[in-house]
Amino acid sequence: AQSVSQHNHHVILSEAASLELGCNYSYGGTVNLFWYVQYPGQHLQLLLKYFSGDPLVKGIKGFEAEFIKSKFSFNLRKPSVQWSDTAEYFCAVVTTSGTYKYIFGTGTRLKVLA
Amino acid sequence: EAGVAQSPRYKIIEKRQSVAFWCNPISGHATLYWYQQILGQGPKLLIQFQNNGVVDDSQLPKDRFSAERLKGVDSTLKIQPAKLEDSAVYLCASSLDRWSSYEQYFGPGTRLTVT
Repeated sequence: AQSVSQHNHHVILSEAASLELGCNYSYGGTVNLFWYVQYPGQHLQLLLKYFSGDPLVKGIKGFEAEFIKSKFSFNLRKPSVQWSDTAEYFCAVVTTSGTYKYIFGTGTRLKVLA
Repeated sequence: EAGVAQSPRYKIIEKRQSVAFWCNPISGHATLYWYQQILGQGPKLLIQFQNNGVVDDSQLPKDRFSAERLKGVDSTLKIQPAKLEDSAVYLCASSLDRWSSYEQYFGPGTRLTVT
């Protein structure tokens, strides 16, 4: 069965530190990949997505992610975090055949200290 | 553009009672999803509708959960009877279509507590 792993459950950083959140998936076929973010008290919203082309994708608020097909990974990065990046981050994978089922990871809770 | 609406926002019930949640997706969105998010976990897909037809309900506990999307717009999710382990946030999301490149738009969720 398909699955998504996010290895960092809680991350605490100081402002201006660099961020990298890991995401690995298990599925042998073609997938589309997403990062969603949930700020405190707000809805889940899309941060960025990859479905073809350049494996380095840029999203909102300075976030980027790199798809490495050989490693089944889609890690999220930001060179310099801000206090406002405090949120929970979810990686999601959707298969490109069949029922197009979304599978979410367990999430990473990021806290940025001012 | 109005977002995905859900009600109620919070619900507390006793085990073995029944409960229903309502979702109104973004206008024009053909695909509607219900997710269950237990504390400390990611959203788990319960059921996916394409217009008013079910695309995937493989993870829906059909002995107690039911969902419908009449007329391909609003949807309701029902639990009857509820168990303690059903305590979770129930999220509704919609997308233009079910093709995998379309992003999902999430509602605020309904937080259910079963005592």
